[in-house]
Amino acid sequence: NAGVMQNPRHLVRRRGQEARLRCSPMKGHSHVYWYRQLPEEGLKFMVYLQKENIIDESGMPKERFSAEFPKEGPSILRIQQVVRGDSAAYFCASSLLGEQYFGPGTRLTVT
Amino acid sequence: ILNVEQSPQSLHVQEGDSTNFTCSFPSSNFYALHWYRWETAKSPEALFVMTLNGDEKKKGRISATLNTKEGYSYLYIKGSQPEDSATYLCALGNNDMRFGAGTRLTVKP
Repeated sequence: NAGVMQNPRHLVRRRGQEARLRCSPMKGHSHVYWYRQLPEEGLKFMVYLQKENIIDESGMPKERFSAEFPKEGPSILRIQQVVRGDSAAYFCASSLLGEQYFGPGTRLTVT
Repeated sequence: ILNVEQSPQSLHVQEGDSTNFTCSFPSSNFYALHWYRWETAKSPEALFVMTLNGDEKKKGRISATLNTKEGYSYLYIKGSQPEDSATYLCALGNNDMRFGAGTRLTVKP
């Protein structure tokens, strides 16, 4: 059973471009969570999704950030018009019920 | 705002020493407390999920206790080994976990 997969592992974008981060949950898991780790900071919750539904997006910045978890395919975290302050490691986790299993993260660098 | 505090921020011990660190949280509206072990360049690995006041969990040389009334959890490592070097995170909540900043443990051979 493969673990949580994230791709790409590293992503470089210029200011103003769009970043798309993908997360494939563990097989059978229907809950996906996205977290962000800014430099020198801890993990911060962004959004919790179940298939086709956003359950809690209280940690998402109000602008430029969106997330989806379609019926088929991976969960996508989308950042439009990236700025330097978006440079961070973005982790997703998945769960069936309770314990969350983390992916290896995507490190986004905005130049 | 749910503040999860961890102390100390970092810890250096010698191989063979036993050590412990603390996670503090608001005692109201408690749901669950999670401990994770996070090695550099890897993803956080779940250690324990604790839900009941007085819970004690053990995995090998690592154990944890929980006091929901006073709002703290301790993580203990007995006989630390260099491979225990990692950042230990606690997180409060269920779906929208709020993480502490972590305790970075370094075990010197």
